[in-house]
Amino acid sequence: SAVISQKPSRDICQRGTSLTIQCQVDSQVTMMFWYRQQPGQSLTLIATANQGSEATYESGFVIDKFPISRPNLTFSTLTVSNMSPEDSSIYLCSVESGMADTQYFGPGTRLTVL
Amino acid sequence: AQSVTQPDIHITVSEGASLELRCNYSYGATPYLFWYVQSPGQGLQLLLKYFSGDTLVQGIKGFEAEFKRSQSSFNLRKPSVHWSDAAEYFCAVVGPNFGNEKLTFGTGTRLTIIP
Repeated sequence: SAVISQKPSRDICQRGTSLTIQCQVDSQVTMMFWYRQQPGQSLTLIATANQGSEATYESGFVIDKFPISRPNLTFSTLTVSNMSPEDSSIYLCSVESGMADTQYFGPGTRLTVL
Repeated sequence: AQSVTQPDIHITVSEGASLELRCNYSYGATPYLFWYVQSPGQGLQLLLKYFSGDTLVQGIKGFEAEFKRSQSSFNLRKPSVHWSDAAEYFCAVVGPNFGNEKLTFGTGTRLTIIP
């Protein structure tokens, strides 16, 4: 299985600012995913990031709010832009590795927006 | 569209007791099935997965799950829970369409262990 790290692990930010979250994988992977987990909720997919192409966003998520970069096969970033308290969540990246769409998750970034 | 139902929002069991967490799915064919665990403040860890073959799958930390096609279920079990098993458990499914379908999560079951 892939080993995934995220930075930062947590942050407290002011309304109107932006935060960039980094996701690093210990092996080359084609597909990376970004999820949001609001307090007490399950995971919601934000977007799928493939290297060399634009990220594909799910309904309700837009590139202006959540720009994503995927410069190579081991790294991706998610930016949460112009933050509001409603953006307070855990943001997780995941990768597909091994058989049949198995996803492995990073430790998450816990974001609090004041 | 595929969906996952975890009927139990919160379960409390005594340490050493057996555990069963329920998961039902809706999908036109047999999907790939997963159980993940999320300890407080942590990311998700894969416990086990089912693709095909033997319907009883073994996972890490002493967990197992049984796929029952007739009931569209994939329940997670452990014969004797430990205090460290207290966490949130998520069932997830994805259609066997090789990357063209998304992983869908249930709403989770929070497990509390009492001494």
